[in-house]
Amino acid sequence: GAVVSQHPSRVICKSGTSVKIECRSLDFQATTMFWYRQFPKKSLMLMATSNEGSKATYEQGVEKDKFLINHASLTLSTLTVTSAHPEDSSFYICSARGQGHSYEQYFGPGTRLTVT
Amino acid sequence: GNSVTQMEGPVTLSEEAFLTINCTYTATGYPSLFWYVQYPGEGLQLLLKATKADDKGSNKGFEATYRKETTSFHLEKGSVQVSDSAVYFCALIGSGNTGKLIFGQGTTLQVKP
Repeated sequence: GAVVSQHPSRVICKSGTSVKIECRSLDFQATTMFWYRQFPKKSLMLMATSNEGSKATYEQGVEKDKFLINHASLTLSTLTVTSAHPEDSSFYICSARGQGHSYEQYFGPGTRLTVT
Repeated sequence: GNSVTQMEGPVTLSEEAFLTINCTYTATGYPSLFWYVQYPGEGLQLLLKATKADDKGSNKGFEATYRKETTSFHLEKGSVQVSDSAVYFCALIGSGNTGKLIFGQGTTLQVKP
């Protein structure tokens, strides 16, 4: 149980376009979802925390107008990278936490974004 | 603020060797501590955890003990296998926190036959 999927797994887009990444909890209701960014050979950096039905809480230094997060249902959160630039190229990972799961977060497989 | 420091990698071992990956943390109060593993091309999986001092987390032959006096949570395995090759992340959730994980930089383990 506790499976989280992400779609797409890889995406290449042109500079200036927007890209949407989906994160789904497949077999549980995710009251909280987290979005991370992972740079090559570096750790995961938390970008934002989203609770179902409310606005996301962004970490310091993360542009909320550039990285739009929506958590409209208990099984789906989306991250939209708006007006993407090559420096936005990265590995984006989501995780989900359900009610009664205490601290445990279940991670998606990640999405590799390349902006050309 | 809270932080996690891991030993630099990559760590290269022969099969059946003993593994230690060091992890130390800085946090106020009593954080919960975790080890996550990321296999090539996959997302992170929780490997083990410990939520209070002197607790030992264990799973799949891996162990780590929550040492408050040394603020450490070193990962150990007595005999590694090629299939253990992955990136290992030490992480914490601070006490009183909303559940935000703070990760170390990750340590790549390569096990050779």
